[in-house]
Amino acid sequence: EAGVTQSPRYAVLQEGQAVSFWCDPISGHDTLYWYQQPRDQGPQLLVYFRDEAVIDNSQLPSDRFSAVRPKGTNSTLKIQSAKQGDTATYLCASRLGQSQNTLYFGAGTRLSVL
Amino acid sequence: AQKVTQTQTSISVVEKTTVTMDCVYETRDSSYFLFWYKQTASGEIVFLIRQDSYKKENATVGHYSLNFQKPKSSIGLIITATQIEDSAVYFCAMRTHSNYQLIWGSGTKLIIKP
Repeated sequence: EAGVTQSPRYAVLQEGQAVSFWCDPISGHDTLYWYQQPRDQGPQLLVYFRDEAVIDNSQLPSDRFSAVRPKGTNSTLKIQSAKQGDTATYLCASRLGQSQNTLYFGAGTRLSVL
Repeated sequence: AQKVTQTQTSISVVEKTTVTMDCVYETRDSSYFLFWYKQTASGEIVFLIRQDSYKKENATVGHYSLNFQKPKSSIGLIITATQIEDSAVYFCAMRTHSNYQLIWGSGTKLIIKP
């Protein structure tokens, strides 16, 4: 069984540029999460989907960040006009259904904003 | 309030020995799920082992086992016969039935020396 796939693995931007991250969850997993992990910290939730619906995006900086999952499978996280403070690893994770099920992570995208 | 605390920021041991990493949690929920994840140098987060609150037996997977002390709200991770490749950051995390979010500890960096 394939795991969670993310691309790109690395991205380097100048401030003000835009970037998109792509995630393909484990087949059949209906829930998908995007996390931001600054250096030397634990992951911090940005947004959570169940199928194509956004369940919680309260921690997503809505003025510059957006996330979609149009068909309830793959997802894209986009940063418009990146800032140096956005430098972090962006992790996608998925799980199947019930809250007790385990969350599985992709390898992440390391973003550096210069 | 729900919280996960890992007080050990870094541990260093010689390979082939046993190491224990501590984690305490806070929740008022009667049903909850505890997880340990490993983050490798490449940034990938890998699921290791879980303990469901209603289970009395300590979980064991390969050379990972848990020391679940429910009265103390403690879930320690024990790694036996450590190997160099066990060097990583280990995160403890909790999810409850009332909160779909995974609540993370701050991580413990494990260094295995030859």
